[in-house]
Amino acid sequence: QQPVQSPQAVILREGEDAVINCSSSKALYSVHWYRQKHGEAPVFLMILLKGGEQKGHEKISASFNEKKQQSSLYLTASQLSYSGTYFCGTEIGGTSYGKLTFGQGTILTVHP
Amino acid sequence: NAGVTQTPKFRILKIGQSMTLQCTQDMNHNYMYWYRQDPGMGLKLIYYSVGAGITDKGEVPNGYNVSRSTTEDFPLRLELAAPSQTSVYFCASKGAGNQPQHFGDGTRLSIL
Repeated sequence: QQPVQSPQAVILREGEDAVINCSSSKALYSVHWYRQKHGEAPVFLMILLKGGEQKGHEKISASFNEKKQQSSLYLTASQLSYSGTYFCGTEIGGTSYGKLTFGQGTILTVHP
Repeated sequence: NAGVTQTPKFRILKIGQSMTLQCTQDMNHNYMYWYRQDPGMGLKLIYYSVGAGITDKGEVPNGYNVSRSTTEDFPLRLELAAPSQTSVYFCASKGAGNQPQHFGDGTRLSIL
């Protein structure tokens, strides 16, 4: 079943923060976050494994709450380059051959 | 390294025609995937492969076929093109373990 992302869209000014959530009704093994700019391929951001691990990449970090089966992506001090559509991809079970089920996406727009 | 290469980048087909979308990777990855992405939507898994000679269906396999004769190549075939297959098709590959999927640039396919 497809994970649910929220919000569907968010508009920011440069320097503002945002949180994007990804929720699943199934027990997850991992959550993958990607960013896609219009007309381009998805670009990998980070992987979260079950265990509540939090990862960071410059001003973008993420967490995975195993009890809630929810992952959150945190974008701090947003830059114009952060604009795009953010997708979470969820993997169920460590033997699922890396198959991901993607959410519907969250459109992030950063204005000067 | 070229990564994941998809050809063609664009194609227009007539209803009932057939074609093969090519995907090749030079990272010696065992796992390869085909997704379709409809406008404003997330990616849906069509077929995947865990190694040469091994393929399996994903979420939306109807109307498509795949083969995996080598580690590098994973072509996707449309036998009788239908308007519902108008979409952007992405190929991805990944290595063993908890690794990210690497995406090609996509093939934009229109069926008229």
